[in-house]
Amino acid sequence: AQSVTQPDIHITVSEGASLELRCNYSYGATPYLFWYVQSPGQGLQLLLKYFSGDTLVQGIKGFEAEFKRSQSSFNLRKPSVHWSDAAEYFCAVGVKSNQFYFGTGTSLTVIP
Amino acid sequence: NAGVTQTPKFRVLKTGQSMTLLCAQDMNHEYMYWYRQDPGMGLRLIHYSVGEGTTAKGEVPDGYNVSRLKKQNFLLGLESAAPSQTSVYFCASSPTGIYPGHGSGQFFGPGTRLTVL
Repeated sequence: AQSVTQPDIHITVSEGASLELRCNYSYGATPYLFWYVQSPGQGLQLLLKYFSGDTLVQGIKGFEAEFKRSQSSFNLRKPSVHWSDAAEYFCAVGVKSNQFYFGTGTSLTVIP
Repeated sequence: NAGVTQTPKFRVLKTGQSMTLLCAQDMNHEYMYWYRQDPGMGLRLIHYSVGEGTTAKGEVPDGYNVSRLKKQNFLLGLESAAPSQTSVYFCASSPTGIYPGHGSGQFFGPGTRLTVL
């Protein structure tokens, strides 16, 4: 069965510090991977996506993610966090049945 | 473009009542999805559609029905609401589904907060 695991429920970082949010997936075939961000009371917004090719993908708002097949991971990174990055982040995998499976999310708090 | 809109934004039901949530998109997307979001559980797919007139079950379809009579609309129905259906419901649309392509990924609506007493 396919699944997505985000091990960190909540992360706190200082403004200007670097950020890494972890995502591990379980899926038998080549995964299509996505990261979304959700601000309080809002819907989700796509940050970036991976289908194939270069394993380091760039997204919006200065985010990037690296696909590591050997580790079944797709971790999200940002070199320098801004206060406006405080939100909830979701990793998702697209599977052949045209469905998406989401992780349980990581809540990010940014300290001034 | 309005993107993806959801109606209503909030609703309170009593157990056993029925209601329909409306999702509309103006991006001419083929794929549409209904999710529920519960604390600590992320988003779970209820039903989805790969085109006008089609629907399919997702991860948690029990107690819900859907219809996609027009390409731009995707309706989610609760025939007999239960307290376990208290949740925030999100609709999403996508031009390509899970597959790569121009504009791939999902576009989400703002959500409907439903409380069943």
